[in-house]
Amino acid sequence: QIQLVQSGAEVKKPGASVKVSCKTSGYTFTNYGTSWVRQAPGQGLEWVGWISGYNAATNYAQNFQGRVTMTIDTSTSTVYMELRSLRSDDTAVYYCARDGGATFRDNWGQGTLVTVSS
Amino acid sequence: QSVLTQPPSVSAAPGQKVTISCSGSNSNIGNNFVAWYQQFPGTAPKLLIYNNNERPSGIPDRFSGSKSGTSATLGITGLQTGDEADYYCGTWDNSLNDAVFGGGTQLTVL
Repeated sequence: QIQLVQSGAEVKKPGASVKVSCKTSGYTFTNYGTSWVRQAPGQGLEWVGWISGYNAATNYAQNFQGRVTMTIDTSTSTVYMELRSLRSDDTAVYYCARDGGATFRDNWGQGTLVTVSS
Repeated sequence: QSVLTQPPSVSAAPGQKVTISCSGSNSNIGNNFVAWYQQFPGTAPKLLIYNNNERPSGIPDRFSGSKSGTSATLGITGLQTGDEADYYCGTWDNSLNDAVFGGGTQLTVL
């Protein structure tokens, strides 16, 4: 079955960086892209960006350009998201999700809580 | 402020039908497919509807989707207490070049 398993919770200080991993299984990794979506406490969903599993092409949301980097390791079918210059309002659960198509995410990871606090 | 507009909450009795609206513009819903997600507290979203009205395997036909112009609608019939969750619409925005979501709608089954 399709699985996306994310790394554990992180606590970071303002200005620091965080790198979250998403290990996938159950499908051909290079046939699909992966999006990252975050959800601040009590808030809605916000798309962070996307990376191709085929050629590592990326498309980052306007709100995160310059602060986020997404990478892949095809040998382990793992996707990574690094967010830099963290602020308190970056505190959120970050989800990875397989892109079933350009407009929908069909399988999601369990989420990784990133807390930014001094 | 979300790009797509959803009502914050809806409610209905068990067994009844409810609809949740999602309003956008020509740069998003008007020219792209719409998806709907269900999210229970403390869990990841789950895909309910994609390409406006298609259901992934395992999603019961009590859930349906439709689109007209720049708005989309999620319908749920035969409401169950287990349907109480947050529901989000999502699509692509051609002007922003971003995926966008609605603010979410909390469903209460009274």
